[in-house]
Amino acid sequence: AQTVTQSQPEMSVQEAETVTLSCTYDTSESDYYLFWYKQPPSRQMILVIRQEAYKQQNATENRFSVNFQKAAKSFSLKISDSQLGDAAMYFCAYNTDKLIFGTGTRLQVFP
Amino acid sequence: ETGVTQSPTHLIKTRGQQVTLRCSSQSGHNTVSWYQQALGQGPQFIFQYYREEENGRGNFPPRFSGLQFPNYSSELNVNALELDDSALYLCASSLLWVVRGEGIQETQYFGPGTRLLVL
Repeated sequence: AQTVTQSQPEMSVQEAETVTLSCTYDTSESDYYLFWYKQPPSRQMILVIRQEAYKQQNATENRFSVNFQKAAKSFSLKISDSQLGDAAMYFCAYNTDKLIFGTGTRLQVFP
Repeated sequence: ETGVTQSPTHLIKTRGQQVTLRCSSQSGHNTVSWYQQALGQGPQFIFQYYREEENGRGNFPPRFSGLQFPNYSSELNVNALELDDSALYLCASSLLWVVRGEGIQETQYFGPGTRLLVL
């Protein structure tokens, strides 16, 4: 069965600094998608970034980038130039036909 | 804005009652998935509907049922409510491609959720 593990329940970062959130997953599939979703206090689940497993190039979306290591089954999220609005729960998710979520990492951003 | 809406935003029910939650998907999306998110947890997959038929189910009992309609709307029904059903219920719409018998699902976009409290 596929599983997703986020080993950091909480992280904190100072405004304008860089932070990396960790995620590992377990699967026997070769084709799949990985996502990072952000959930602010409003609890709306917002897509941050997506990575296709067949692509070797790491995905990037403005200040957000991933380090995808397929062999190690690792998918970390790097947030550069952190902003106060980045404070939220971040969920890593694995997808074939359904999304399997990790338990989340709460990110605090300090001014 | 994801273009996915849910109603109602909040709901209070008592144990044993039945509830219907509604979702309106993005135009053109043929798949809707429902998730339950308990406080402090990640979302758990309930089931998915593709072209108005159930297309996968998580570890939820049969009292959780759903419907998907041709007009991009869908429902989640829960019978005989239990206290543990208190949670945020999220729907997500997406486009599912079937290529040579295999499903390839694009990104799921989430609605704002319905908060259900069972007393």
